[in-house]
Amino acid sequence: GAVVSQHPSWVICKSGTSVKIECRSLDFQATTMFWYRQFPKQSLMLMATSNEGSKATYEQGVEKDKFLINHASLTLSTLTVTSAHPEDSSFYICSARITGTSNEQYFGPGTRLTVT
Amino acid sequence: ELKVEQNPLFLSMQEGKNYTIYCNYSTTSDRLYWYRQDPGKSLESLFVLLSNGAVKQEGRLMASLDTKARLSTLHITAAVHDLSATYFCAVALNRRSGSRLTFGEGTQLTVNP
Repeated sequence: GAVVSQHPSWVICKSGTSVKIECRSLDFQATTMFWYRQFPKQSLMLMATSNEGSKATYEQGVEKDKFLINHASLTLSTLTVTSAHPEDSSFYICSARITGTSNEQYFGPGTRLTVT
Repeated sequence: ELKVEQNPLFLSMQEGKNYTIYCNYSTTSDRLYWYRQDPGKSLESLFVLLSNGAVKQEGRLMASLDTKARLSTLHITAAVHDLSATYFCAVALNRRSGSRLTFGEGTQLTVNP
C-alpha cells in the first residue's frame, strides 16, 4: 500500500517551453503533497507544499509563477515548469501524506527533467 | 530555521567493516527519518524514529535517536557491496508545521570488495 507514481519518469524539453509533471497517490487519498528538487550529488530541497483545493505554499526562493502547482483532487498534484531553462534541469520528486494521518510521507519515483 | 547536518558526506569502506553515519539537527523535532537513495532512483524509506532512545534495526543497519543531543546515528555492521548508496536523514518539524521535512546533505557510501 501507499504507492505514489510520477509521470513522466523522464522528459527532455527545449528551452522556453513548459512541461507538466504529475504526481498520483494510487491507493490512498492525499490532502497534502510535497514537491522536491534534487540537483546532481545534492540533497533534496523542498520547493512547495501542495494542498488539495487551495493554493500551494512555496519555499523561500522558489518562484511560484515559474513552478505552477495544481492539486485539484485528493489523488493528483501537478507541477508545471513554465518557460523552462537549462538551469531547471533536475530530478523532481514528489511525496504524499495520507489524509488524516500524522506525518509519514510516501515518495514517488521521481522525474528527470532535462532542458536543452 | 532547522538545519540538518550529516557526517561524513563521503564514506568509502571495505566489506566486513563497521561504521557509523551521524546526523545532527538544530531544533526540537518529534521524528527523524533515514532514507536510502540509489543512483537515478528516488528515496527508499529505511527507518522512522519517534522518541528519545529509539533504536531500530534492519539487517546490517541500525538507527538510533538521542533527542536531547539532537543526534541520530546509522550504524553499519559488516558492510557488504549492496549497501553502496547515498543515505539521507530527514527531520520533521513540529506538528504545527505538519510533516515538512528537512533533509541532511546525504552520505555517499561506497563499500569496496
